[in-house]
Amino acid sequence: AQSVTQLGSHVSVSEGALVLLRCNYSSSVPPYLFWYVQYPNQGLQLLLKYTSAATLVKGINGFEAEFKKSETSFHLTKPSAHMSDAAEYFCVVSDPGNNNDMRFGAGTRLTVKP
Amino acid sequence: DGGITQSPKYLFRKEGQNVTLSCEQNLNHDAMYWYRQDPGQGLRLIYYSQIVNDFQKGDIAEGYSVSREKKESFPLTVTSAQKNPTAFYLCASSPTRYYEQYFGPGTRLTVT
Repeated sequence: AQSVTQLGSHVSVSEGALVLLRCNYSSSVPPYLFWYVQYPNQGLQLLLKYTSAATLVKGINGFEAEFKKSETSFHLTKPSAHMSDAAEYFCVVSDPGNNNDMRFGAGTRLTVKP
Repeated sequence: DGGITQSPKYLFRKEGQNVTLSCEQNLNHDAMYWYRQDPGQGLRLIYYSQIVNDFQKGDIAEGYSVSREKKESFPLTVTSAQKNPTAFYLCASSPTRYYEQYFGPGTRLTVT
């Protein structure tokens, strides 16, 4: 079964610094990949998705992610962090071998320091 | 406005009581899902439904039950058989099973 690993349960950056949140998946078959954001006590909001079109995917709020098949990675980046980016971020992979079940990473909590 | 609503936002129950969490969507989506979220564990799938009157167990269905009598509604019952019911519960929907999911605001259930 497909699995997804988010490296670093907590990431802290200064306002204006680069944001890099790491995600690796396990399948040799390119799956669909997603990044979601969750603000405290709220539901999840889709940031962006990869569905086998362009490998560099642009999302909302200035975020983007690059699909790298050779590294089985889908890291999320933003050039300049804003205080409002503080939230929890989930990398999600669909599992083509299991009815396209969505598999969630454990999440990375992003803190932005002033 | 199209979206998913979950009610209530916070729910408190005594141990041994069943409790039903509401989930309604007006997005005309066929598929609906229930997830449980615990700190540091991401989301785990409880049940999902692809069409009305049909639903399937997810990874952690024990102690939970669902129904799907209407396309718009997918209520979740947390039974007294669920050993550790205190958690944040999220409902989601998608056009079909193979599209990205849209989430409701969640219900935080506390059982004492």
